[in-house]
Amino acid sequence: AQSVTQPDIHITVSEGASLELRCNYSYGATPYLFWYVQSPGQGLQLLLKYFSGDTLVQGIKGFEAEFKRSQSSFNLRKPSVHWSDAAEYFCAVGERDDKIIFGKGTRLHILP
Amino acid sequence: EPEVTQTPSHQVTQMGQEVILRCVPISNHLYFYWYRQILGQKVEFLVSFYNNEISEKSEIFDDQFSVERPDGSNFTLKIRSTKLEDSAMYFCASSSRGPGTEAFFGQGTRLTVV
Repeated sequence: AQSVTQPDIHITVSEGASLELRCNYSYGATPYLFWYVQSPGQGLQLLLKYFSGDTLVQGIKGFEAEFKRSQSSFNLRKPSVHWSDAAEYFCAVGERDDKIIFGKGTRLHILP
Repeated sequence: EPEVTQTPSHQVTQMGQEVILRCVPISNHLYFYWYRQILGQKVEFLVSFYNNEISEKSEIFDDQFSVERPDGSNFTLKIRSTKLEDSAMYFCASSSRGPGTEAFFGQGTRLTVV
């Protein structure tokens, strides 16, 4: 069965610092991969997705993620975080004709 | 930009009461989903719906739950007799390309069962 692991429950970075949120998945075939962000009290917003092609994908708000098949990873990165990036980030995996599965999330805290 | 809308944003209900959560998916989407997120936990799949029938449901989606697309625009989740453990944020989502592909989520309905 597919699964998604986000090993970091909480991450704290200083404003302006770089960010990397980790995500590993277990899936039999080539998965569809997603990162969603949830601001406090808000819904889930899609940051970026990977279906095929270039393994480095660009998303909204300056985020990017890299698909590494050999490591079964899809880590999210941002070169310089802003205080407004404080939120919970969910990695998710899907496959055509199968449901999307979410990781447990990583809560990002930003220090001024 | 088209979006998924959910109403109400927050609902409080007494244990044992029926609730209906409403969603208006993006208009040209054909695949609809409900997910829930218990406070502090991960987002869990409940059910997917396509062509006016359930295509997949999770173990959570027992006989107390039902979904319906009553009028071609709304997509509802009914919980017949709510329990305390049904308290959660419920997210509706829709997609145009089928399960597993890009899904757009609503803002959620926070259900509190007292």
